[in-house]
Amino acid sequence: RKEVEQDPGPFNVPEGATVAFNCTYSNSASQSFFWYRQDCRKEPKLLMSVYSSGNEDGRFTAQLNRASQYISLLIRDSKLSDSATYLCVVTPLYNFNKFYFGSGTKLNVKP
Amino acid sequence: SQTIHQWPATLVQPVGSPLSLECTVEGTSNPNLYWYRQAAGRGLQLLFYSVGIGQISSEVPQNLSASRPQDRQFILSSKKLLLSDSGFYLCACTNVAGESTDTQYFGPGTRLTVL
Repeated sequence: RKEVEQDPGPFNVPEGATVAFNCTYSNSASQSFFWYRQDCRKEPKLLMSVYSSGNEDGRFTAQLNRASQYISLLIRDSKLSDSATYLCVVTPLYNFNKFYFGSGTKLNVKP
Repeated sequence: SQTIHQWPATLVQPVGSPLSLECTVEGTSNPNLYWYRQAAGRGLQLLFYSVGIGQISSEVPQNLSASRPQDRQFILSSKKLLLSDSGFYLCACTNVAGESTDTQYFGPGTRLTVL
């Protein structure tokens, strides 16, 4: 079983739509959680960390559900520039140097 | 803030040839450094990480090796490339000053094609 699993998509949404992605993780002892954004043929860039209490940054909201072992990313009022692949990242409690990446969820925002 | 440099940006190499990719970090000291590979349409695979000069942890047995000759320099090497070594190689760092120790930042990557 993979450490981190994501729906590869693509999610095709119109501008202005609200879209949500989930990411499940297998290790209940996972400690830290992140969402990264990766544009085509570019490096991943940190979008936001995911805290136990959830966090919001503008149009982006991230939440953690430890009981069900998943994290979510909600994007409101989608922009064309939000089109990218969104990577979920999880680190285990026992080794802060191990970062487990999901394969990513592709989002296409269309005019 | 830190800046991660990688070179070359792209590389085309024949099977069996050697490889050397370099990563350098500016703007921070004593970073933890990582090498990842991303195959086309796939997730990131951690290859090596280092918490200090001369210290290397290998995650996946293969024909690649890594070295850290200086605090802010991380090198990925191979003596003989395989077709399966093709991919997007990314250097990353954590333990950046002012950030939590588990926030990871990436360099621009090297796109390697082995023919």
